[in-house]
Amino acid sequence: AQRVTQPEKLLSVFKGAPVELKCNYSYSGSPELFWYVQYSRQRLQLLLRHISRESIKGFTADLNKGETSFHLKKPFAQEEDSAMYYCALLIQGAQKLVFGQGTRLTINP
Amino acid sequence: DTGVSQDPRHKITKRGQNVTFRCDPISEHNRLYWYRQTLGQGPEFLTYFQNEAQLEKSRLLSDRFSAERPKGSFSTLEIQRTEQGDSAMYLCASSSPQGGTYEQYFGPGTRLTVT
Repeated sequence: AQRVTQPEKLLSVFKGAPVELKCNYSYSGSPELFWYVQYSRQRLQLLLRHISRESIKGFTADLNKGETSFHLKKPFAQEEDSAMYYCALLIQGAQKLVFGQGTRLTINP
Repeated sequence: DTGVSQDPRHKITKRGQNVTFRCDPISEHNRLYWYRQTLGQGPEFLTYFQNEAQLEKSRLLSDRFSAERPKGSFSTLEIQRTEQGDSAMYLCASSSPQGGTYEQYFGPGTRLTVT
């Protein structure tokens, strides 16, 4: 089965603290994973993808095939990071994204 | 604004009525996707087009739903005989194979409320 699990619906941390948003996936093919973010009153937008191996806005995510995980991390949270974060898996062939249920991240001052 | 646009942004309708939504993709994007998002959930795939061809349909897309993309440009999603369970945000996304990837760019969504 193709599935993306984000175990935390809500996550609250203080400004300057490290952040980790968890994502686990289930997929028989070669996984291509993404993190999307939705800021308040804005549309869903791509934050980063695992194949790029880049850091965006201080966030990084490493694909761990052994643990079937793609956790999103940032060493020092900022207030502007408060948003809804979705982990997504691209299904090859069908070209569809399978999303997790999302994690609402709140950064407290 | 050269991003994906959707119209209308909000739609309130009575159960049993038909509704149609429109999506205008980013110019020259050959792929177009429809997703549905209910409260507290991530977006769920409905269907996708490559140019004017509808290549994939989810089982979520019952026979009351139909999507078209004439001439491979804008797309419409029609829901016939709406039910309260159809209340959701309907998202459109588009992509092109730039750089060997198909990054999906999302529109603002159409929020449907069925009363």
